[in-house]
Amino acid sequence: DAKTTQPTSMDCAEGRAANLPCNHSTISGNEYVYWYRQIHSQGPQYIIHGLKNNETNEMASLIITEDRKSSTLILPHATLRDTAVYYCIVRPYMDTGRRALTFGSGTRLQVQP
Amino acid sequence: DVKVTQSSRYLVKRTGEKVFLECVQDMDHENMFWYRQDPGLGLRLIYFSYDVKMKEKGDIPEGYSVSREKKERFSLILESASTNQTSMYLCASWTAGGNTIYFGEGSWLTVV
Repeated sequence: DAKTTQPTSMDCAEGRAANLPCNHSTISGNEYVYWYRQIHSQGPQYIIHGLKNNETNEMASLIITEDRKSSTLILPHATLRDTAVYYCIVRPYMDTGRRALTFGSGTRLQVQP
Repeated sequence: DVKVTQSSRYLVKRTGEKVFLECVQDMDHENMFWYRQDPGLGLRLIYFSYDVKMKEKGDIPEGYSVSREKKERFSLILESASTNQTSMYLCASWTAGGNTIYFGEGSWLTVV
């Protein structure tokens, strides 16, 4: 899987948008960008994924740059429950999943009241 | 929504005990996985199963075995628990054609 780089930590005020960046400059053409988050003491939760177009679902939006070397996860109205570690992962779509997902250090997002 | 349920959230077991961790998924996924997560080591794959009664070793299978008698259930067995198996254990499932892997909430095992 291509290497990703994320800031170690970020703060965000409750109700404001949280923008979490991820650099993946070595991404290859068949690799998707996935975002997961892990709330303390729980299993990782899938958030969103994309290839090159921007994507939006009920949880978040994913903005991928045109050169695909970086992306931003946007939580439009952060709540205290969004406090978690957010992981950006790059891997081929439809991968069998038999390899372990490589979770790096991620970004620890603290939503402040 | 996909639901992956791990039967035990917190367990404390003694060294040498046999430990069963159960995982059930309700979306008819053929692929199921057991990982452990330790600080600084990330997720490591223990075993996975791609069909009933089928299993393959992951990266760290030593000291563990698995059982998949029914499609929805995948059990992780610690034959003789040791203190170095104290960890958080995560079950996950995935289906061919699906978007991604779904995780359970995790089982925190402490071996004393």
